[in-house]
Amino acid sequence: EAGVAQSPRYKIIEKRQSVAFWCNPISGHATLYWYQQILGQGPKLLIQFQNNGVVDDSQLPKDRFSAERLKGVDSTLKIQPAKLEDSAVYLCASSLVKGWGAGGTEAFFGQGTRLTVV
Amino acid sequence: GIQVEQSPPDLILQEGANSTLRCNFSDSVNNLQWFHQNPWGQLINLFYIPSGTKQNGRLSATTVATERYSLLYISSSQTTDSGVYFCAVGGKRDFGNEKLTFGTGTRLTIIP
Repeated sequence: EAGVAQSPRYKIIEKRQSVAFWCNPISGHATLYWYQQILGQGPKLLIQFQNNGVVDDSQLPKDRFSAERLKGVDSTLKIQPAKLEDSAVYLCASSLVKGWGAGGTEAFFGQGTRLTVV
Repeated sequence: GIQVEQSPPDLILQEGANSTLRCNFSDSVNNLQWFHQNPWGQLINLFYIPSGTKQNGRLSATTVATERYSLLYISSSQTTDSGVYFCAVGGKRDFGNEKLTFGTGTRLTIIP
């Protein structure tokens, strides 16, 4: 079974430029997450989709970050304009969905995109 | 939201030693996962363990949900075990919204 695919693996941009990351979840996984991991810290959730709807984007800096999941499969995360503090690894994850209130399911992560803003 | 604390933050051991990593969480959970982050940054799933005990080779994990903690045991450590270990939990209050909240990790270094 193929895992979560992300691209690109690395990206270096100048501040104020824009950048986009792509994620293809595991086939059949309705839930898709984008996490940001700053060096030395644990991953932090940016946005969670279930199918093509947003479940949680409370920690997404909406003035510069946007994400979409058209057709409920692939997703893109965009930063425009980038700041120095956006330098981080951006991780995509996916999981199955059980029935409401039926408990959690195991999440699987992609290899991540390492972004450096200079 | 739910809080996750991991201890110790750093652990340095000789090859062959055993280790115990701890994860404390502040609320009831539907989901608890242990990950190993490799040097290239990828999160490798070790255990999905919201309760009970599981073993996989030299690794085992126990979650005592009623007391809000989980332990990861690594026996006969090898240099390839080096890296950062994360505990991540999904709170029961997040009905149908099982996001994972991560701890700050334990950095394990195994010396040959």
